[in-house]
Amino acid sequence: GIQVEQSPPDLILQEGANSTLRCNFSDSVNNLQWFHQNPWGQLINLFYIPSGTKQNGRLSATTVATERYSLLYISSSQTTDSGVYFCAVEQGKAAGNKLTFGGGTRVLVKP
Amino acid sequence: ETGVTQSPTHLIKTRGQQVTLRCSSQSGHNTVSWYQQALGQGPQFIFQYYREEENGRGNFPPRFSGLQFPNYSSELNVNALELDDSALYLCASRDEGRYNEQFFGPGTRLTVL
Repeated sequence: GIQVEQSPPDLILQEGANSTLRCNFSDSVNNLQWFHQNPWGQLINLFYIPSGTKQNGRLSATTVATERYSLLYISSSQTTDSGVYFCAVEQGKAAGNKLTFGGGTRVLVKP
Repeated sequence: ETGVTQSPTHLIKTRGQQVTLRCSSQSGHNTVSWYQQALGQGPQFIFQYYREEENGRGNFPPRFSGLQFPNYSSELNVNALELDDSALYLCASRDEGRYNEQFFGPGTRLTVL
């Protein structure tokens, strides 16, 4: 099956700093989503981005499907950005209609 | 708020028991998926239902089963609980054929003693 790797596994930031999270995947995909998991376990949709670039406030994401990677940018980080960030990909019906998740990047933003 | 709800929030069972978890999909969504998330790991796909039929399954044994109802609510049933079944169980819904983005519920945290 497809492999999804996220880096770095852990990230400690000072409030106000910028950061880049990376997601590499081993095969072509139909869909790619970025999530933020809060301390209570809720997965919050950040981006649905199978290709191209999107921005939402201080967050932006870029997926280069031909090179099989996606980047999530956090600018001017805040303590509320702490949590685990997951990248998840989907290959379509032939692969079982499932999202395959990476291992996550655990982010801690210190005040 | 994703519009996806799950119940119960927390559950404690003993080894060998059976459990039923429930999910209510976002309005208009015809597809529901279930995921298991062990502590410190990413969610793992259990199975997916589309219009009341299972149309995708991950690497989980048959004691994990599901149902989807005409109103698009869904159940996950686990028989003969094992200690390793302790995890956060997440359901996700989407409107397959129209949008591919999946939206997750808040999860049910199951502890097996």
